[in-house]
Amino acid sequence: GESVGLHLPTLSVQEGDNSIINCAYSNSASDYFIWYKQESGKGPQFIIDIRSNMDKRQGQRVTVLLNKTVKHLSLQIAATQPGDSAVYFCAELRGRDDKIIFGKGTRLHILP
Amino acid sequence: DSGVTQTPKHLITATGQRVTLRCSPRSGDLSVYWYQQSLDQGLQFLIQYYNGEERAKGNILERFSAQQFPDLHSELNLSSLELGDSALYFCASSVDGLDDYEQYFGPGTRLTVT
Repeated sequence: GESVGLHLPTLSVQEGDNSIINCAYSNSASDYFIWYKQESGKGPQFIIDIRSNMDKRQGQRVTVLLNKTVKHLSLQIAATQPGDSAVYFCAELRGRDDKIIFGKGTRLHILP
Repeated sequence: DSGVTQTPKHLITATGQRVTLRCSPRSGDLSVYWYQQSLDQGLQFLIQYYNGEERAKGNILERFSAQQFPDLHSELNLSSLELGDSALYFCASSVDGLDDYEQYFGPGTRLTVT
């Protein structure tokens, strides 16, 4: 398979708690990372991105952390809501004209 | 609604046949990407076009081809179809795909090969 992978295929989180979705990558030459959310029956939706010259980036209720030392990427979702139920993909881009490689995905399940 | 449209929504065809999937990018987007999503392979990048020219190639089979037309819509042609080609095919677009990689995905075309 490709180098981008996810530690857990399914993550169950209590509504209101914070969610952390992890992703490992193997190519230190990757310089751009993206998180996508895919709800059932829909196409992936861009959530947040981060370039390799950063180690943290925040959006609305989401934070992406990049640890280049261990080649690890995480997506933190604050105060998880039922609408956050989806499959989350991390993706990496190696160079300007190179292809984007997606991980297998982690399904986030929200417990009531 | 991402602004990216794909037709048809569903397609059922037999092995050996040829099909064409169509994508219209968001207004103003110059770059179009094609992806295949299957249960066992996940989301696989196939090919990218920028302003009518091929920019990047991924895991696209020789039986598959794509093009982007002057009006920026794109078509993905799949020929000599096999059962394993059954999958969701997504098109995405971005402003330029050079310094802006935020991609907007269409709703997908579900292809079933019987």
